[in-house]
Amino acid sequence: DAGVIQSPRHEVTEMGQEVTLRCKPISGHDYLFWYRQTMMRGLELLIYFNNNVPIDDSGMPEDRFSAKMPNASFSTLKIQPSEPRDSAVYFCATGTRGNQPQHFGDGTRLSIL
Amino acid sequence: GENVGLHLPTLSVQEGDNSIINCAYSNSASDYFIWYKQESGKGPQFIIDIRSNMDKRQGQRVTVLLNKTVKHLSLQIAATQPGDSAVYFCAENISRGSQGNLIFGKGTKLSVKP
Repeated sequence: DAGVIQSPRHEVTEMGQEVTLRCKPISGHDYLFWYRQTMMRGLELLIYFNNNVPIDDSGMPEDRFSAKMPNASFSTLKIQPSEPRDSAVYFCATGTRGNQPQHFGDGTRLSIL
Repeated sequence: GENVGLHLPTLSVQEGDNSIINCAYSNSASDYFIWYKQESGKGPQFIIDIRSNMDKRQGQRVTVLLNKTVKHLSLQIAATQPGDSAVYFCAENISRGSQGNLIFGKGTKLSVKP
């Protein structure tokens, strides 16, 4: 089991640029979650999908953020345009039915200059 | 890593001692609880979980206790080792049969002194 795979592991870019974060879920997991982790706010859920359909995007900060899941094996989180306050570690996690733990990737450390 | 915050509670223990990490959860309707361990530069890693119909569950060197009356969860680590040094998060879930959302606590940093 390869686990949840995220890319890139690190991203440094200038404000105003578009950023795309990628996630490959564990095969067979039909739930996919995007989280953001910062020193001040801890782990925050941004959005989650079930069977490739967005279920709850209430955690998405603003319209600059968008997420897609075109198929069961791939998801993206896009920030356009990026701002310095978007700097954080972004995690993707996947899971199965209720009352089962989510499995996290190792995250993308994003720095917006 | 980003899991270290200015106000992150810290527990420092001697190698070989037992550790107890506490967590107060927020929602009395939560029915599933998980403890995660996060090492620097990595994602949260599942340790142990417990459902609301239980008050205790044991794993290898770890025990989770659930007190629904006071909405309190604890993680006990026996014979703490240097490799246990990490930030520990509790998470609660109101699943009602679906995956639902995990709500994470702020985390506790465990430092193990050799």
